[in-house]
Amino acid sequence: DTGVSQDPRHKITKRGQNVTFRCDPISEHNRLYWYRQTLGQGPEFLTYFQNEAQLEKSRLLSDRFSAERPKGSFSTLEIQRTEQGDSAMYLCASTGKTVNTEAFFGQGTRLTVV
Amino acid sequence: DAKTTQPNSMESNEEEPVHLPCNHSTISGTDYIHWYRQLPSQGPEYVIHGLTSNVNNRMASLAIAEDRKSSTLILHRATLRDAAVYYCILRNSGGSNYKLTFGKGTLLTVNP
Repeated sequence: DTGVSQDPRHKITKRGQNVTFRCDPISEHNRLYWYRQTLGQGPEFLTYFQNEAQLEKSRLLSDRFSAERPKGSFSTLEIQRTEQGDSAMYLCASTGKTVNTEAFFGQGTRLTVV
Repeated sequence: DAKTTQPNSMESNEEEPVHLPCNHSTISGTDYIHWYRQLPSQGPEYVIHGLTSNVNNRMASLAIAEDRKSSTLILHRATLRDAAVYYCILRNSGGSNYKLTFGKGTLLTVNP
């Protein structure tokens, strides 16, 4: 296992278009997290899955954002009707079932809305 | 979540030790102190964590004050590859959600 994978690494889209990002966590990890990071800021929590259940959503996750984790494996994050303010790095992380000592992060998807 | 305070930036020379401070005066008894770092164009990477006692691992050491209101991440010999943003984060031991609340961190510059 090579760690948490995110696809694509970069995405440029026009305002108003929909975009979808994918995250493949470490295979034995049942917990998955999405974060958003803008320039000069630390990552901000968006949402958390335990297996296929979405257990927590931040107020940052507006109605235009939706995340899924079918079958408790990979996850997708969709943004509908993108706005320039959505431009950011979107990070995915996963943690295991037992003692949660650390989170493993992917390299992120950088979204630019033009 | 309890808040942490870190300097915005620090500078070090290669092969010298680096001490990165973090203040967390409102820490609760069940809060663990976690450190992550983020290299340019990468996702954050776990460095070390502790509760009360000082901790060492292959990457760094964590020194925790006796009253737990501050801690220091120690890189024993900085290399150019240690140039990154270092985040000090408090995480409560309760619950299964490993949500992390990041601040702005400390940008470490390492001079050759």
